[in-house]
Amino acid sequence: DTGVSQNPRHKITKRGQNVTFRCDPISEHNRLYWYRQTLGQGPEFLTYFQNEAQLEKSRLLSDRFSAERPKGSFSTLEIQRTEQGDSAMYLCASSPADREGYGYTFGSGTRLTVV
Amino acid sequence: AQTVTQSQPEMSVQEAETVTLSCTYDTSESNYYLFWYKQPPSRQMILVIRQEAYKQQNATENRFSVNFQKAAKSFSLKISDSQLGDTAMYFCAFKLGQGAQKLVFGQGTRLTINP
Repeated sequence: DTGVSQNPRHKITKRGQNVTFRCDPISEHNRLYWYRQTLGQGPEFLTYFQNEAQLEKSRLLSDRFSAERPKGSFSTLEIQRTEQGDSAMYLCASSPADREGYGYTFGSGTRLTVV
Repeated sequence: AQTVTQSQPEMSVQEAETVTLSCTYDTSESNYYLFWYKQPPSRQMILVIRQEAYKQQNATENRFSVNFQKAAKSFSLKISDSQLGDTAMYFCAFKLGQGAQKLVFGQGTRLTINP
C-alpha cells in the first residue's frame, strides 16, 4: 500500500466550471476525510466518511460542493460553478475506525487554481 | 467549539540547535488527543508526534518531544539537534475523544533550519 493518493495534483480551471477531485485512501482505513487549506493557514475540515456513509459536513461545504464515497473505497469531491475563492489545496486523509486517537494519514493534496 | 492557537508564525534556528514551537488550545472536555504535524514545502503532511490527554507522561519520538501542560492547555513541541530536513510548516492539531473525528488545526509555524 502506497498511502493516500490524490489526483490530480494540480488543477487550473476557469471561473464557473465544474471540477472533480479523487482520493484513494489506505485500503485498510474505513474513515476518509476532506480538508481545505488556503495559503499560510492550517487545514479546515470539510467532511468525513465512514465506509460509504457521509457522517459529518462542515458549514464550509456550500451547496456547490458535493462529496461521495460510493463503495466505501475511493472518494470524489466535486465543486460546481467554481469561484476564485475556491482556490486552495484540497487535502484528503484516512484513518482506521478501530484506533481512537490514531491521527490521520494525509495525501499530497490537489491544488486548485480558479482563474 | 475547540480552538488551537500557534502564536509563532515563523521561527528560524541554526542546524543542531534545539527549538521549541508553542501551541495552546481551548476546550472544556477532558478526553482528547493532541498532535503535531509537519508539512515540508510542496510535500504531504506527516504526523510527527501524538499525545493522549489522559496520559501524564510527555510523548517522545527520537529528536521530537512534547511538553504537555493539561491545566494550562499548552502543548509545545521541542526539536533537539535540529536538521536541515526539519525545515517545514508545523501544525498543532486537536481531536476530541469518544468517537469525534474532526481534527482542528492551528495556523501553523514556519520553521527554517539554517546551515
